[in-house]
Amino acid sequence: DQQVKQNSPSLSVQEGRISILNCDYTNSMFDYFLWYKKYPAEGPTFLISISSIKDKNEDGRFTVFLNKSAKHLSLHIVPSQPGDSAVYFCAATGAGGTSYGKLTFGQGTILTVHP
Amino acid sequence: NAGVTQTPKFRILKIGQSMTLQCTQDMNHNYMYWYRQDPGMGLKLIYYSVGAGITDKGEVPNGYNVSRSTTEDFPLRLELAAPSQTSVYFCASRTGGHNSPLHFGNGTRLTVT
Repeated sequence: DQQVKQNSPSLSVQEGRISILNCDYTNSMFDYFLWYKKYPAEGPTFLISISSIKDKNEDGRFTVFLNKSAKHLSLHIVPSQPGDSAVYFCAATGAGGTSYGKLTFGQGTILTVHP
Repeated sequence: NAGVTQTPKFRILKIGQSMTLQCTQDMNHNYMYWYRQDPGMGLKLIYYSVGAGITDKGEVPNGYNVSRSTTEDFPLRLELAAPSQTSVYFCASRTGGHNSPLHFGNGTRLTVT
């Protein structure tokens, strides 16, 4: 039962254009969502997050949008740079202290930004 | 500041062998986690710990054991290695702050043949 899904295994964009990575979830108890970026032979690194009380969070070139009614979130990267080429994981966690910070991850999307 | 350190980076095991994957963090984080990542799949939680002396099962605990005798260390033990345990293993830690992000190590790539 895949509670967090990233339906696009890969995405290819031109440098300077927008990259949009999508993520869907099924568990209505999730209330906090994160994006992680992973380079080969390294561990995932935290990129940006959003709480369910918001519908947008921005950090520099990265913006995450949350549509609770559709159980959908997206990560926008503008402008895309070759150094953004990596695997991007969407993750979600449930409410309150009982979640203990445990994350449920999507399958990942491989982003390639061409110069 | 080293962060989360995992050893070894690579290991090949024969079926039935045992080994311990080491994980240590120097950030004084209370929460620690072990995840595995299979090709084309997301990370799945094996075990986690909310502090020294406290551990609990995650989504895929079968075939693994953990211990947490200190805040810094969270080793993962494979007792009887099976081909299904071929994967990349990531250790992570976080503070106890609400929704604080996980900090990951660089992983251990394990092959069981």
